[in-house]
Amino acid sequence: DGGITQSPKYLFRKEGQNVTLSCEQNLNHDAMYWYRQDPGQGLRLIYYSQIVNDFQKGDIAEGYSVSREKKESFPLTVTSAQKNPTAFYLCASKDRPNTEAFFGQGTRLTVV
Amino acid sequence: AQKITQTQPGMFVQEKEAVTLDCTYDTSDQSYGLFWYKQPSSGEMIFLIYQGSYDEQNATEGRYSLNFQKARKSANLVISASQLGDSAMYFCAMSAPNDYKLSFGAGTTVTVRA
Repeated sequence: DGGITQSPKYLFRKEGQNVTLSCEQNLNHDAMYWYRQDPGQGLRLIYYSQIVNDFQKGDIAEGYSVSREKKESFPLTVTSAQKNPTAFYLCASKDRPNTEAFFGQGTRLTVV
Repeated sequence: AQKITQTQPGMFVQEKEAVTLDCTYDTSDQSYGLFWYKQPSSGEMIFLIYQGSYDEQNATEGRYSLNFQKARKSANLVISASQLGDSAMYFCAMSAPNDYKLSFGAGTTVTVRA
């Protein structure tokens, strides 16, 4: 089955630790995205990547980092510089600009 | 820069009635795409409908239709014959043709009452 896999579904970390969220897709899509969603809020774009080895900052990139070494993978690292990292993180991919994005199931990160 | 505005934080609708969710956008691009997504309480994002800026006809997908008014820069979603399973958060989104950036509005929570 083609799709996007995010892991883990739930993640707990201590304050001050970096944590990496995984996102893998087998849809052969060029573009991949990371969004953050706070309770009852909309999706805010963190980073996106149009091709391998290239990515752009979204609206809230501070405190986050990404890499795109392979077409299938777009991991997101939440660094200790992110002031309030507890949130729901969604990864997505799309084939062409004006086509729908496909989403993973999300990772709920809790920092204690 | 793209901006999506959804002004209705929450709405209640009676089962079997229609509901209209508002979405306005701001862009300097002539060509762009507009999307609506549904997010149930489980958190998954479900694609509902797409409208291209040059499409002359309003998009429809089953019980979903998009009321596209280009001059007003609005792309309202109409859900006909509401069902209990339509209770969810709904997001409007926009992308530009030469940029893969995909931006979302703040969302509208719809609650369908029996």
